[in-house]
Amino acid sequence: AQSVTQPDIHITVSEGASLELRCNYSYGATPYLFWYVQSPGQGLQLLLKYFSGDTLVQGIKGFEAEFKRSQSSFNLRKPSVHWSDAAEYFCAVGALSNTGKLIFGQGTTLQVKP
Amino acid sequence: GAVVSQHPSRVICKSGTSVKIECRSLDFQATTMFWYRQFPKQSLMLMATSNEGSKATYEQGVEKDKFLINHASLTLSTLTVTSAHPEDSSFYICSARDAVRGTEAFFGQGTRLTVV
Repeated sequence: AQSVTQPDIHITVSEGASLELRCNYSYGATPYLFWYVQSPGQGLQLLLKYFSGDTLVQGIKGFEAEFKRSQSSFNLRKPSVHWSDAAEYFCAVGALSNTGKLIFGQGTTLQVKP
Repeated sequence: GAVVSQHPSRVICKSGTSVKIECRSLDFQATTMFWYRQFPKQSLMLMATSNEGSKATYEQGVEKDKFLINHASLTLSTLTVTSAHPEDSSFYICSARDAVRGTEAFFGQGTRLTVV
């Protein structure tokens, strides 16, 4: 079955600390992977995506993610978290033939302590 | 570029009435649009895929007669929740895939539907 798992429902980090949000996927075809951020009551903003090539991808707001095929993972990282990063983060997977049709993980709520 | 506008952002309606949500691609053509539903503090679940000029494809378990989707042009798809009930209250988000670039879909800002 196709699925995306974000093992951490809620994460709290101190401002300035590093961050890693985990994402594991199960997908029958070549996966195309995305990370989105959602502020309360808002739509989704794309942070970064992986289609092919370099497995370390850079995104907006200082985020990066690394695709590890052997581990079926696509973890999101940021070296130094800012208070404005507090939000809900979603990992998603799609197929090249239909990258708009996405399977989302459950989401991880990030709280940032001053 | 690649802006998707969703309207309204919030709507309250009475049980038994119908409500229409619009999803527009403002600066690109979208042959395909997608409608998702998000329950409070949960993930997004794909409801249906909307193709311009043809019938929508609904995901398993989604009532097509309740959630009417129309994609009459390359820049507009509508979702109509018919005979709404309180359990239909949710956050509805659309996305649109750029027909030219085709590498990703862009999301609207969502519509908060409350049925009272």
